[in-house]
Amino acid sequence: GENVEQHPSTLSVQEGDSAVIKCTYSDSASNYFPWYKQELGKRPQLIIDIRSNVGEKKDQRIAVTLNKTAKHFSLHITETQPEDSAVYFCAATQDDKIIFGKGTRLHILP
Amino acid sequence: DSGVTQTPKHLITATGQRVTLRCSPRSGDLSVYWYQQSLDQGLQFLIQYYNGEERAKGNILERFSAQQFPDLHSELNLSSLELGDSALYFCASSKQGLDEQFFGPGTRLTVL
Repeated sequence: GENVEQHPSTLSVQEGDSAVIKCTYSDSASNYFPWYKQELGKRPQLIIDIRSNVGEKKDQRIAVTLNKTAKHFSLHITETQPEDSAVYFCAATQDDKIIFGKGTRLHILP
Repeated sequence: DSGVTQTPKHLITATGQRVTLRCSPRSGDLSVYWYQQSLDQGLQFLIQYYNGEERAKGNILERFSAQQFPDLHSELNLSSLELGDSALYFCASSKQGLDEQFFGPGTRLTVL
């Protein structure tokens, strides 16, 4: 079955710097890759997603890249702000079955 | 507010007991997903229903079962509870499988 590895598990960046979180997946049939943000004590919320027919997608300070050949995808956050502090989860979906990575706890340092 | 409701918010019970968690999806959403999130753990996909039918299964224990009713609300039944079942259980809904999922506020289950 599908397996999703996410790195790093914890990431600290200075406010204003960029943050990059990487995920790899095992099943080449996976075709939808969402990223969710979960703030402390709250529910996960989708921040960006990408489908397998697209290599890159951007939404303001957030971008996601997908390399289907290498089976990895990455989340890029630029000009980080304090409100970006949260746990970020990547996921890979195939045939309605979704597998999440273990999450990255992002700390934005003042 | 995502539009997904879950009840109860908190549940405290003893080992060996059985509980039922309830989820109402967003209006118009046909898919319902159940997840388990243990302390400092990621989201474990349990099971998905689409328009009343089981669609996909994840790491769901045999002691757990779920169903989706004709009005599209869903219930997750957990039986013979163990201490390790203590977790936050999320329900999410989407229009179809490859769409944004909207998560409910979760039910925090504590097994003593």
